[in-house]
Amino acid sequence: AQRVTQPEKLLSVFKGAPVELKCNYSYSGSPELFWYVQYSRQRLQLLLRHISRESIKGFTADLNKGETSFHLKKPFAQEEDSAMYYCALKESNAGNMLTFGGGTRLMVKP
Amino acid sequence: NAGVMQNPRHLVRRRGQEARLRCSPMKGHSHVYWYRQLPEEGLKFMVYLQKENIIDESGMPKERFSAEFPKEGPSILRIQQVVRGDSAAYFCASSPSQSRVRRGETQYFGPGTRLLVL
Repeated sequence: AQRVTQPEKLLSVFKGAPVELKCNYSYSGSPELFWYVQYSRQRLQLLLRHISRESIKGFTADLNKGETSFHLKKPFAQEEDSAMYYCALKESNAGNMLTFGGGTRLMVKP
Repeated sequence: NAGVMQNPRHLVRRRGQEARLRCSPMKGHSHVYWYRQLPEEGLKFMVYLQKENIIDESGMPKERFSAEFPKEGPSILRIQQVVRGDSAAYFCASSPSQSRVRRGETQYFGPGTRLLVL
């Protein structure tokens, strides 16, 4: 069965510092990976997906199939980046449901 | 487009009562997903529905839980005889047709319903 692991429940950094939120997955097929973000009192929203290879709000994530990882990175954190971040996996063929990691709370201190 | 709507946002029930959670998908979306988030945990898939059909309910508890998405009206997640362990945030998401999902469209989430069982 597929599984998504986010080893850090909380990550605290100072403004301007680099950020890396870790995500590892286990899945025998070819997955689609996503990062979702939930700002305080807001709904969960898509941040980026690996197939787009895009940078959103300065964040990037590269799918590393050898290490089965999809870490989220940003070179210079901003206070407004403080939020809950969820890594999610969608199976390539069966169904459309997402498997989520446990989430990482990012706190960016001034 | 108002996005995915869920109501109520907060629901308090006593043990043994029934809880009904409603979800209205985004306009034009025909697929609905329900997820549950227990305290300090990530979202866990429960059920996937299209209009009048349950496509995948592999994440639903075997008893007391049911879901429907009628031809008209919102999707309903129903929990009978609630217990304290049902206290959680329940999120609904919607997506467009399956073919568009396969082409990279994603799911759009509602604000969630926070259920508290006393």
